[in-house]
Amino acid sequence: NAGVMQNPRHLVRRRGQEARLRCSPMKGHSHVYWYRQLPEEGLKFMVYLQKENIIDESGMPKERFSAEFPKEGPSILRIQQVVRGDSAAYFCASSPAGHSNTEAFFGQGTRLTVV
Amino acid sequence: QQQVKQSPQSLIVQKGGIPIINCAYENTAFDYFPWYQQFPGKGPALLIAIRPDVSEKKEGRFTISFNKSAKQFSLHIMDSQPGDSATYFCAAIDSGGGADGLTFGKGTHLIIQP
Repeated sequence: NAGVMQNPRHLVRRRGQEARLRCSPMKGHSHVYWYRQLPEEGLKFMVYLQKENIIDESGMPKERFSAEFPKEGPSILRIQQVVRGDSAAYFCASSPAGHSNTEAFFGQGTRLTVV
Repeated sequence: QQQVKQSPQSLIVQKGGIPIINCAYENTAFDYFPWYQQFPGKGPALLIAIRPDVSEKKEGRFTISFNKSAKQFSLHIMDSQPGDSATYFCAAIDSGGGADGLTFGKGTHLIIQP
């Protein structure tokens, strides 16, 4: 039973490019959460999605960031026109339907570096 | 505004000692308080969690103490081992309310010296 899979593990982008981060939840999980971790900081909640629905995006920056969780395939966190301040580790967590964030399991993260 | 304050930022303890990590929260609606362990290059892993209806919870060498009136909770690691060296995060959530994301502390870098 594979855990939460995130790819790529490391991503380098030049300023102005787009970054696409993928998250495949654990088998049987239909809830996905994205968090951002800046150096020496705790994780900050970004967005909560269920299949084909964004439930809570209160932690997402208003511009350049978007997330989706289609009916088929992984959840995608998309960052357009990246800037140096976007450099961080981005973690995805998943939980089964009917369970809250308290039952979530984290992936190993994608470390984004903007140069 | 930081809703969960964690201290200390870093901690060095000799093997066999009992490191203690403290967290304080502000939101009285929080009702679930997990601790996560994170090794370098890895994602956070749930270690132990507590709800405010109990004052202490123990799982193996890990114990959470909870003080509802003071809005504080702490993690104790008994008989600490070098393999416990990691970053530890406390977190909190209002599991029945509108918030869907955990609120994390800033983390404690723990080093257990052999």
